[in-house]
Amino acid sequence: DGGITQSPKYLFRKEGQNVTLSCEQNLNHDAMYWYRQDPGQGLRLIYYSQIVNDFQKGDIAEGYSVSREKKESFPLTVTSAQKNPTAFYLCASSYGTGVGQPQHFGDGTRLSIL
Amino acid sequence: DAKTTQPTSMDCAEGRAANLPCNHSTISGNEYVYWYRQIHSQGPQYIIHGLKNNETNEMASLIITEDRKSSTLILPHATLRDTAVYYCIVRGRNNDMRFGAGTRLTVKP
Repeated sequence: DGGITQSPKYLFRKEGQNVTLSCEQNLNHDAMYWYRQDPGQGLRLIYYSQIVNDFQKGDIAEGYSVSREKKESFPLTVTSAQKNPTAFYLCASSYGTGVGQPQHFGDGTRLSIL
Repeated sequence: DAKTTQPTSMDCAEGRAANLPCNHSTISGNEYVYWYRQIHSQGPQYIIHGLKNNETNEMASLIITEDRKSSTLILPHATLRDTAVYYCIVRGRNNDMRFGAGTRLTVKP
């Protein structure tokens, strides 16, 4: 089945540690996104990528980094500079970034601090 | 992007149609109406979207009023698995989806 796979489902980070969240899609989508969802709140855009080897900051990029070396993959690193990383992280993809292109989401990674 | 207003919660009997309203009175001409739903601890699931015309797919129907100031998502035969938070989003910018608080739909047996 085509879809978006995020791993791991749950992740724990120690103080001062960087962690990387995986996002893979086999939908042949060009655009990929990372969002953060906090309890009872909407989604906030962290980074997005329209094509391979290109990515742009979203509203809350500080403390995060991404790479887009392959069309299928868009990993997110939560660095030690992100002081409040506990959240539900969602990856999405779409054929393009136009307003008429729906984004499709993975099932998320829940990150907690030890 | 235009702001949306949805009821906080709704109930629906299993097997009946669920009609979820959304108010977007400040929508502009190039903004699309999207609907997603999210079941606890899962990612949002795309349901349907439209610009001006009513739309139907295998999951739902989207009815947009002629003045585009409001819309209704219709799940024709609700099942217990349709219990979720439903988000109405008006999207006029590229790149991101702006989710609000949504409507918590509970389908009851």
